[in-house]
Amino acid sequence: DTEVTQTPKHLVMGMTNKKSLKCEQHMGHRAMYWYKQKAKKPPELMFVYSYEKLSINESVPSRFSPECPNSSLLNLHLHALQPEDSALYLCASSQANGRYEQYFGPGTRLTVT
Amino acid sequence: SQKIEQNSEALNIQEGKTATLTCNYTNYSPAYLQWYRQDPGRGPVFLLLIRENEKEKRKERLKVTFDTTLKQSLFHITASQPADSATYLCALGGLIKAAGNKLTFGGGTRVLVKP
Repeated sequence: DTEVTQTPKHLVMGMTNKKSLKCEQHMGHRAMYWYKQKAKKPPELMFVYSYEKLSINESVPSRFSPECPNSSLLNLHLHALQPEDSALYLCASSQANGRYEQYFGPGTRLTVT
Repeated sequence: SQKIEQNSEALNIQEGKTATLTCNYTNYSPAYLQWYRQDPGRGPVFLLLIRENEKEKRKERLKVTFDTTLKQSLFHITASQPADSATYLCALGGLIKAAGNKLTFGGGTRVLVKP
């Protein structure tokens, strides 16, 4: 199974809402990532988890809060977002954090109203 | 600051021909470079990885070269097919201090293969 799954596929939320994005992989990968992708732009790294510990935070605003409950799951908790946070949020995993290919999920299309 | 440049103009190519995409970078010494394919509304799909000490890698109809002196990678799709139409992203990877490895993506080049 080389699949990374993400839920929900689409999410519309108001600026005062709290919501969570979920990501799951069963490839035994020990590194997981969150990326943000705006239209016609490349993915931009937000967070890296390595062996369930946060190793890289790319100066992401605190309204985005990542969580890695176990080696297969990755969550992104959202609170008090702004309309400019509307984007495609991609989860990825790799065997480890390093010279390995990354497997991406289909993404969650987030709209903040 | 680091800069990764891919041709932002779409590449239109006739079926059966070879498509060649470029990825140039500045102010960066990547340990490895990867190429991904992305279709509209979907996540990127890994194609090839090449390390800093490697010159060329091949996989089926795909070939990638890596010239660390020129700071350039070329990506070739031979015998192109309409199904190869997509956006192709290069991504440079390396260690950020002691924190971990990070992939930084170029802007991507859209390829359209016409029958």
